Amino acid sequence: EAQVTQNPRYLITVTGKKLTVTCSQNMNHEYMSWYRQDPGLGLRQIYYSMNVEVTDKGDVPEGYKVSRKEKRNFPLILESPSPNQTSLYFCASSSNYRDRGKTQYFGPGTRLLVL
Amino acid sequence: AQTVTQSQPEMSVQEAETVTLSCTYDTSESDYYLFWYKQPPSRQMILVIRQEAYKQQNATENRFSVNFQKAAKSFSLKISDSQLGDAAMYFCAYRRTVYNQGGKLIFGQGTELSVKP
Repeated sequence: EAQVTQNPRYLITVTGKKLTVTCSQNMNHEYMSWYRQDPGLGLRQIYYSMNVEVTDKGDVPEGYKVSRKEKRNFPLILESPSPNQTSLYFCASSSNYRDRGKTQYFGPGTRLLVL
Repeated sequence: AQTVTQSQPEMSVQEAETVTLSCTYDTSESDYYLFWYKQPPSRQMILVIRQEAYKQQNATENRFSVNFQKAAKSFSLKISDSQLGDAAMYFCAYRRTVYNQGGKLIFGQGTELSVKP
């Protein structure tokens, strides 16, 4: 089954304690992105990756890091989480071919609370 | 830069009735994709319908259809014969056809739809 998985699904942490949210896709997609969802703001792109070892900032990258060492994995790293990073996070992937690339596949989301 | 606006934070519809959710967008590009996503209480993002800007024909998927007005930059979603399971947050989204930024989607603020039995 084609899918994007994220772990953990729920996370409560404290300010300053480093954490990683994992993302994995089994569709051999080139493109992967991280989004955060906040009330009244919709979803906003944090970081994206065009392929292995190719990553770049999205619209709200401050306080986040990513890496893309393998094609299937795209972890999101919060080195020193702060309360304003409390949010719902989504990982997404898509193909880079024009016809197949129209659809983004989303993970189930990770709800993060930073105290 | 492209923007997407959903001006209705909340909407309500009676079961079996029809409801229309509004979306406007701003872009200087002529070719792009538009989407409606549904987010039920599970928070999963579910693709409802997709429209390619170069196609004049409005997309339909069963009870869901869109009214795509390219000149007006409007992309509304019509849900016919509303069902209790349609209750969810609905997001309108825009995507460029140029393959950069990882296929970035630009989302509207969302419209929370409730369905009354």
